[in-house]
Amino acid sequence: DARVTQTPRHKVTEMGQEVTMRCQPILGHNTVFWYRQTMMQGLELLAYFRNRAPLDDSGMPKDRFSAEMPDATLATLKIQPSEPRDSAVYFCASGSAGAGDTQYFGPGTRLTVL
Amino acid sequence: DAKTTQPNSMESNEEEPVHLPCNHSTISGTDYIHWYRQLPSQGPEYVIHGLTSNVNNRMASLAIAEDRKSSTLILHRATLRDAAVYYCILRDVQIPSNTGKLIFGQGTTLQVKP
Repeated sequence: DARVTQTPRHKVTEMGQEVTMRCQPILGHNTVFWYRQTMMQGLELLAYFRNRAPLDDSGMPKDRFSAEMPDATLATLKIQPSEPRDSAVYFCASGSAGAGDTQYFGPGTRLTVL
Repeated sequence: DAKTTQPNSMESNEEEPVHLPCNHSTISGTDYIHWYRQLPSQGPEYVIHGLTSNVNNRMASLAIAEDRKSSTLILHRATLRDAAVYYCILRDVQIPSNTGKLIFGQGTTLQVKP
């Protein structure tokens, strides 16, 4: 079974530190999404890419968050500097553009910022 | 994005059918109806989607009202493993930049009793 992988699965860091989360989309998928989930806000779309180009990052705090796709097999989400309010589970999902546009989610990175 | 309304929670007994409702009175003609679910401590997973006709797959059935203002996800025999949050999401395929974009609401938390 092809799966989306995310690393690390858990990250505990101190306020002010840089955090980098990585995602390997399913081979052949051309669309990658980053979501954040908290108890208060639920699942929020932060950004997404098609063919490695950013299509929409309006859900992302621009001053501290950045998302990139250095190549087709790697997507990264960086937070610098991190703050306690960034504590959440961050999910990556991938899919192929089309009528169904099914998204396949990774297991998530649980981030705790102290 | 058109909005959906789902009950916050539902209960079911194991091995009985479950009907999860979703209202989407402002749905447009080009909105697909997608269902995803999120098992505890996992990323969301695709369940089913449809446009106008009822749909069946190995996981569930999707019944769409004739006026498309509501739909029902049907689990034919609930198991304990079906306990999850179920999300009903509308996606407009006509807006190119939104292709694939999913906006998650709060969903319905399904409890399955043995």
